[in-house]
Amino acid sequence: QVHLQQGGAQLLKPSKTLSLTCGVSGGPLTGYHWSWVRQPPGRGLEWIGEINHSGSTNYHPSLKSRVRISLDTSKNEFSLRLTSVTAADTAVYYCARGLRYADYSSPTGVYYYYFYGLDVWGQGSTVTVSS
Amino acid sequence: DIVVTQSPDSLAVSLGERATITCKSNETLLYSSNNKNFLGWYQHRAGLPPKLLFYWASTRESGVPDRFSASGSGTEFSLTIASVQAEDVAIYYCQQYYSVPYTFGQGTKVEI
Repeated sequence: QVHLQQGGAQLLKPSKTLSLTCGVSGGPLTGYHWSWVRQPPGRGLEWIGEINHSGSTNYHPSLKSRVRISLDTSKNEFSLRLTSVTAADTAVYYCARGLRYADYSSPTGVYYYYFYGLDVWGQGSTVTVSS
Repeated sequence: DIVVTQSPDSLAVSLGERATITCKSNETLLYSSNNKNFLGWYQHRAGLPPKLLFYWASTRESGVPDRFSASGSGTEFSLTIASVQAEDVAIYYCQQYYSVPYTFGQGTKVEI
């Protein structure tokens, strides 16, 4: 049974850097997309970005200049770093495992990989940005 | 960004009643090379993390009760709860993963 463990709540001042880590236990890092999603107060879910086991990342364009997701295979964890935070970054932050589908193309002999859902989630970390 | 819009925003039903949520995308989510619809559905109960219900638009995740069903293709999708139970009170989200960023609908609140 895969389990994702997040840290506790954080209070940050504006312009500081948010750092969150998600520990992965009970399963491998390879073969999945490791993702971050957030939910601002009273609002819906917002996808932040993902990293796969080879270190390739995708980020939400609105956050791309401030966000970095990294993977530490030696510690079996992945991390989110968001710089220059403002009150708009106040949210519950979730880490999650993204499922990956491999589609083999006979003509090219190449595997194409597709994300297809977030099946395991951390418990969430409340981040408040306030002066 | 692909925009996915859910309707209604909220839904009040009686126990045992049927509930249907619609999700519409402004672009097709059907990938022609593998004939799969790149859309999923999640249930988000208060105080818990979201839970994956369906992927590829209609494939039920393991452990999801069969009173939940999902269908649709291209740009229009739906999630149906055949007989709503008390534990189904939650906000339901669709999510497209056809292209980055993988956007969520705004959510539909299901209440008893």
